[in-house]
Amino acid sequence: EVQLLESGGGFVQPGGSLRLSCAASGFTFSSYAMTWVRQAPGKGLEWVSTISLSDTTTYYADSVKGRFTVSRDNSKNTLYLQMNSLRAEDTAVYYCAKWIGGSSTSLDYWGQGTLVTVSS
Amino acid sequence: SYVLTQPPSVSVAPGQTARITCGGNNIGSKSVHWYQQKPGQAPVLVVYDDSDRPSGIPERFSGSNSGNTATLTVSRVEAGDEADYYCQVWDSNFDHAGVFGTGTKVTVL
Repeated sequence: EVQLLESGGGFVQPGGSLRLSCAASGFTFSSYAMTWVRQAPGKGLEWVSTISLSDTTTYYADSVKGRFTVSRDNSKNTLYLQMNSLRAEDTAVYYCAKWIGGSSTSLDYWGQGTLVTVSS
Repeated sequence: SYVLTQPPSVSVAPGQTARITCGGNNIGSKSVHWYQQKPGQAPVLVVYDDSDRPSGIPERFSGSNSGNTATLTVSRVEAGDEADYYCQVWDSNFDHAGVFGTGTKVTVL
């Protein structure tokens, strides 16, 4: 059974940093690209970042570019999101999601999310 | 950046058909995916690559994509289909980026 378990969320002041983790199991983690998606309270889904299966290519939304860094450790089956210079507008539930594979750009499994609150 | 526009809400009676649109410039040239999200839960993929269904998703969920509009159709709507629905594409024309639609709240009357 595919499982994605996010952790690392919490309360942080503006300008602070957090590192989110996503522990994967039930599939060959190194064979799939992974994505972070966030959802502000009461709002829609927002794509944040994607990392290729071999960690060689990363993509970021303009809203987080230069502040967030996505990485993965295939030996630990874990995805990360380092978030620096946090702003109030970064407050959201952060989901990690697995790409379905092949040529499709869809996300077939999602974690339950971890809440990040940025406030003074 | 690429923009996907969805109607904020759609209402449908049980047993009827709900159609949720997703508008984007020449969206027919892209692969569109659809997610269902119920309150307090993570999104669930219901249609991918315009019209394919993941295993476990009922045949009542179908998709189409042409021109500037993609459509998710839910046939024989049930109370359990009440949820938010989001379309999504991968925009590889300029900045490679994921893009989600604005979301549609489906209410079962």
